Amino acid sequence: DGGITQSPKYLFRKEGQNVTLSCEQNLNHDAMYWYRQDPGQGLRLIYYSQIVNDFQKGDIAEGYSVSREKKESFPLTVTSAQKNPTAFYLCASSPAGWRTEAFFGQGTRLTVV
Amino acid sequence: DQQVKQNSPSLSVQEGRISILNCDYTNSMFDYFLWYKKYPAEGPTFLISISSIKDKNEDGRFTVFLNKSAKHLSLHIVPSQPGDSAVYFCAASRSYNTDKLIFGTGTRLQVFP
Repeated sequence: DGGITQSPKYLFRKEGQNVTLSCEQNLNHDAMYWYRQDPGQGLRLIYYSQIVNDFQKGDIAEGYSVSREKKESFPLTVTSAQKNPTAFYLCASSPAGWRTEAFFGQGTRLTVV
Repeated sequence: DQQVKQNSPSLSVQEGRISILNCDYTNSMFDYFLWYKKYPAEGPTFLISISSIKDKNEDGRFTVFLNKSAKHLSLHIVPSQPGDSAVYFCAASRSYNTDKLIFGTGTRLQVFP
């Protein structure tokens, strides 16, 4: 089955700790993205990557870091510098080219206590 | 600056009737638009898209209309079914820069019997 897998589905961390969210895809997509969803808000772009070993900041990159060492993997680290990390995080991927839709994973709910 | 706006946070429709979800955008450079459907605690799933060279695109019960002069698009669901109850997100991008999908805040649709 082709798809995008995010793990874990629920994650709890203490304030001040870094945490890494996993995202793996076997769709052979070139581009991968991380979005954040908060209540009453749309999906806001954190980081995106169009090719391996390259990535760009989205609209709300502060306090986050990513890596893209393999085509199928795009982990997101939420650092202690992120002021309000509790949110629903969504990973997505899309094929190269234009006018293509993004396919999303099931999301990770991160709660920082 | 919200470039993609969904001004109705919720909509309630009777089963069998038409559901109309609206979306406005401010950036005239956007030329590709998508609708996603999202259930709670899951990732969004792609529904339908439209490019700016068209003013209508239809897929089964779902039709998207685009009014470029008004910078407005709408999603029509006919007939509405209880399984359509979900949050619907409108998204926009520029064709030559499809690495960045800008999402609206979503409209929660409830279809009641």
